[in-house]
Amino acid sequence: EVQLVESGGGVVQPGGSLRLSCAASGFTFSSYWMTWVRQAPGKGLEWVANIKQDGSEKYYVDSVKGRFTISRDNAKNSLYLQMNSLSVEDTAVYYCARAGSGTMIGKNDYWGQGTLVTVSS
Amino acid sequence: DIQMTQSPSSLSASVGDRVTITCRASQSISSYLNWYHQKPGKAPKLLIYAASSLQSGVPSRFSGSGSGTDFTLTISSLQPEDFATYYCQQSYTTGTFGQGTKVEI
Repeated sequence: EVQLVESGGGVVQPGGSLRLSCAASGFTFSSYWMTWVRQAPGKGLEWVANIKQDGSEKYYVDSVKGRFTISRDNAKNSLYLQMNSLSVEDTAVYYCARAGSGTMIGKNDYWGQGTLVTVSS
Repeated sequence: DIQMTQSPSSLSASVGDRVTITCRASQSISSYLNWYHQKPGKAPKLLIYAASSLQSGVPSRFSGSGSGTDFTLTISSLQPEDFATYYCQQSYTTGTFGQGTKVEI
């Protein structure tokens, strides 16, 4: 059974940093693109970042470029999101999701339960 | 960047109704279009991928069509469990979502 479990969320002050983790199981993690998606309270889904199977390609939404870094450790079946210079606009539930297994990013077919990040003074 | 625009933003429907939601991309995305729905407090669930392919385990009352810039999600006979918010997503580049369509009674 495919499982994705996020952790690392919490309350942080504006300008602070946080590192989210996503533990994957039930599939060959190293064969899939992975994605972070967020959802601000009462708002829609926002794609945040994608990372290729070997970590050689990474893509970000403009609003987080230069502040967030997506990474992965295939030996640990884990996905990460390092978030720096956080602002109140980054307050959201952050989901990790499995993406495609080929050269294209593809569909997000499995999702974690999400972890809440609250940026507040 | 590719922008995704859904319509309508919300709709009211009854059990048994045929429901159609549209999604337009700001440039051609071929068939790299996915549909999800989300219930309050839950993670999104994939319904349709590659514009018209039904995800495993999803009821056949859901169908998708379109290519290029214009896409449609159709629910042939709305069921009580289908009241949710629906999102389209392009996977041609990155993964931009539409703003969502809330389907309510």
